[in-house]
Order: sequence, then structure tokens, then C-alpha cells
Amino acid sequence: AQSVTQLGSHVSVSEGALVLLRCNYSSSVPPYLFWYVQYPNQGLQLLLKYTSAATLVKGINGFEAEFKKSETSFHLTKPSAHMSDAAEYFCAVTPFSGGYNKLIFGAGTRLAVHP
Amino acid sequence: NAGVTQTPKFQVLKTGQSMTLQCAQDMNHNSMYWYRQDPGMGLRLIYYSASEGTTDKGEVPNGYNVSRLNKREFSLRLESAAPSQTSVYFCASSVGTSGGHGETQYFGPGTRLLVL
Repeated sequence: AQSVTQLGSHVSVSEGALVLLRCNYSSSVPPYLFWYVQYPNQGLQLLLKYTSAATLVKGINGFEAEFKKSETSFHLTKPSAHMSDAAEYFCAVTPFSGGYNKLIFGAGTRLAVHP
Repeated sequence: NAGVTQTPKFQVLKTGQSMTLQCAQDMNHNSMYWYRQDPGMGLRLIYYSASEGTTDKGEVPNGYNVSRLNKREFSLRLESAAPSQTSVYFCASSVGTSGGHGETQYFGPGTRLLVL
């Protein structure tokens, strides 16, 4: 069964510092990969997704993620953190084929940005 | 275009009471989903509907029932609420049917449920 591991349930960075949120997946066949963001008391919003085109995927709000098949990773980065980036971030995968469009979520990483 | 809407936003129930969570989307999507979110566990799929008239179990269906009322609406019912069902419930939708892998799912704002 596919699974998603997000390293670090809480990450804290200074404003202007690099943001790195880690995500590893387990799958023999590269799946589709997603990063969602959840701001306080809101639903989830898509940041970016990988669908087997370019391995470096650019998303909204200056975020990007790189798909590395050899490392089974899809880490999320942003060069310079802003206070408004404080939120919870979820990595998710869905199978490449078979079954239904099922999203399997990681446990989430809460990002804090301090002045 | 409101996207995915959910009602109510917040609900308190006593053990054994029943309630229905409502979800509607105005994007003409075929697939709809119900998830629950618990601390440290991400979101887990309860039920999904790949098209109007069809529903299937997800990862954690016990204690829940669903109805795909029409293409727009997908409701989640708790027949006899238990404290273990205290959670935040999210509805989502995506454009295709079950074959649409890699499609983006669009989420509603959530319903916070507390079962005492």
C-alpha cells in the first residue's frame, strides 16, 4: 500500500529564510504527487502537483517542489519565507492508475514563521 | 462561483445523536469525497462518489453513511454519534470520474464536530 511520510510535524523559520518541508512516498511506480496548504480554520488549497511532466514543479506563492525518483522524495521549498506562509502543509499522493482518484495524505507539517 | 460549500460550520452532539453534514459544489464536478482530519493523522477518506448515483467506501467508513443526492450534493450522515467521531470533516470534489488520476481535488472549508 502506498504511504506518505512528512519529516517534522513542526518547522520554524525566520522571515526571509529558506523553507524546506520534506515529503517521501512509498510506491514502486511513481505516483501523482501533491502539496496542499491549510491556513487556520480554512479548507485545503492546492499549492502544486507533479503529474510526470517536469520534475521541478512551480506552484503558487513562490513555492516549488522537485520530484526525485531515486530518493522517492517530493520536498517543498521556498527561497524566502514570509509571515503569511505560516500554515499547515500536507503532502499527498494518488496512484498512477487503477482504482479511483484516491488521495493519500501525510500527517502534515505545521510551519511557523517568526520575525 | 462558490466552489465547495459545507454546512454547518460547527456542531456539538451528544453521544447517540444523529446528524447530517451537507456538501455542495457548483463546479459541475463528477467526483465528490468526504474526509476526516484528526491531529497528527492528516486527512483520511471516509466515502467517495465517482459519479451521480454511485458511492463507495474509503479508508474509514464505519459509523457513517452517505448519499449522492444529485450531481451537486453529497451528504454524510452519522446515525449514532460517538466521541471517536469528534473531528473536522472536509468535503472535496474533482472534475472527472474514477479514472481521472492526478486530478486536483477542491476542498470545502470544513465542519468541526464535537461529540460529547
